[in-house]
Amino acid sequence: GQNIDQPTEMTATEGAIVQINCTYQTSGFNGLFWYQQHAGEAPTFLSYNVLDGLEEKGRFSSFLSRSKGYSYLLLKELQMKDSASYLCAVMDSNYQLIWGAGTKLIIKP
Amino acid sequence: GAVVSQHPSWVICKSGTSVKIECRSLDFQATTMFWYRQFPKQSLMLMATSNEGSKATYEQGVEKDKFLINHASLTLSTLTVTSAHPEDSSFYICSARTSAGESETQYFGPGTRLLVL
Repeated sequence: GQNIDQPTEMTATEGAIVQINCTYQTSGFNGLFWYQQHAGEAPTFLSYNVLDGLEEKGRFSSFLSRSKGYSYLLLKELQMKDSASYLCAVMDSNYQLIWGAGTKLIIKP
Repeated sequence: GAVVSQHPSWVICKSGTSVKIECRSLDFQATTMFWYRQFPKQSLMLMATSNEGSKATYEQGVEKDKFLINHASLTLSTLTVTSAHPEDSSFYICSARTSAGESETQYFGPGTRLLVL
């Protein structure tokens, strides 16, 4: 079966760095997405990785290792507004999105 | 974990026809279901929110007569794109929300790709 695993909840301190991991087992791979979702709002696109390596975009970076079925989202200089759920999703060989359950990130002052 | 399915996965249709997309929560009862559109590498755009047994609430700019939503049961919502045109071609994603105690978790479906010729 297809499966995406990510931690349910993480807590970090304002100004710090946090890494949210995502492991996946899917039938085929056509890219991995990270989304941010604030409560009551639609998910917003953060990153898309289809090749191995690190992609940096401002305070957010995303890493992919296809051989290990592993990705992480790295958030630097955490701000209170970064408190949200972070969703990992993989596009499989049929171009269907397989979603993780999301990681709730709590930022403390 | 909870599973949300969508049917069909892909649909190709001629301009002017209507297309129905089903969203089902397979192992839980969804108090609320959401319909989104997504363009490549962009954020999900919320189209409408539906609660079982009541009329859907549409977001500004979404035509309710074109995108018909029926939420007949706690496990099924349908989106019908009426008189589809090429500009309606998109990736449609549904999600279902369940209330479990104090937490409300939203689960996403795999998406339906619509191509209107």
